[in-house]
Amino acid sequence: GAVVSQHPSRVICKSGTSVKIECRSLDFQATTMFWYRQFPKQSLMLMATSNEGSKATYEQGVEKDKFLINHASLTLSTLTVTSAHPEDSSFYICSARDRAGTRPGELFFGEGSRLTVL
Amino acid sequence: AQTVTQSQPEMSVQEAETVTLSCTYDTSESDYYLFWYKQPPSRQMILVIRQEAYKQQNATENRFSVNFQKAAKSFSLKISDSQLGDAAMYFCAYRSDFNKFYFGSGTKLNVKP
Repeated sequence: GAVVSQHPSRVICKSGTSVKIECRSLDFQATTMFWYRQFPKQSLMLMATSNEGSKATYEQGVEKDKFLINHASLTLSTLTVTSAHPEDSSFYICSARDRAGTRPGELFFGEGSRLTVL
Repeated sequence: AQTVTQSQPEMSVQEAETVTLSCTYDTSESDYYLFWYKQPPSRQMILVIRQEAYKQQNATENRFSVNFQKAAKSFSLKISDSQLGDAAMYFCAYRSDFNKFYFGSGTKLNVKP
């Protein structure tokens, strides 16, 4: 099946620093990627939709200046948490749609990235 | 906005037995997709099964099957012959016409040996 890779899987940073998380579709082109945030024992909350070559679309309540999303190519989207604070600590998951694959419209998920802000 | 509700926070099943996980959703759209995803302790989401709303036939994938009741907006997952490896969080998901996915709150499935 289609593979989505996320890096890093775990990151610890100091408060006030910025952290970048990468999401790559390894064997398919993804014009659209999605970024989710998951709190412990809770569901995935959609943060933003990342569109290749254009600006990301953010969900209501998500600060676009804090969570910068760049989708520079058909296989890579990045999420940068700027000036991170402890409340930004969470599990971040990316996903991508394979429009041309055997299961168009299906969402493939990365392994997730655990961010801990000290 | 679409909402997805999973009313069972946690379920337990004996190995080799059958268990059904419930999911209801709310939408005004007529064409959409429904999914069940599994999230094991490794945290990576894995697709279990999908259902197109326009199809009346219930989807089946080996030991996994769904009971899709479109009028009732219900989409339950049945796991037959449960195995220890089935233990995980299960999320019901709705995909809208705008290709946004909405997830339920999840059901933790325990499988007892």
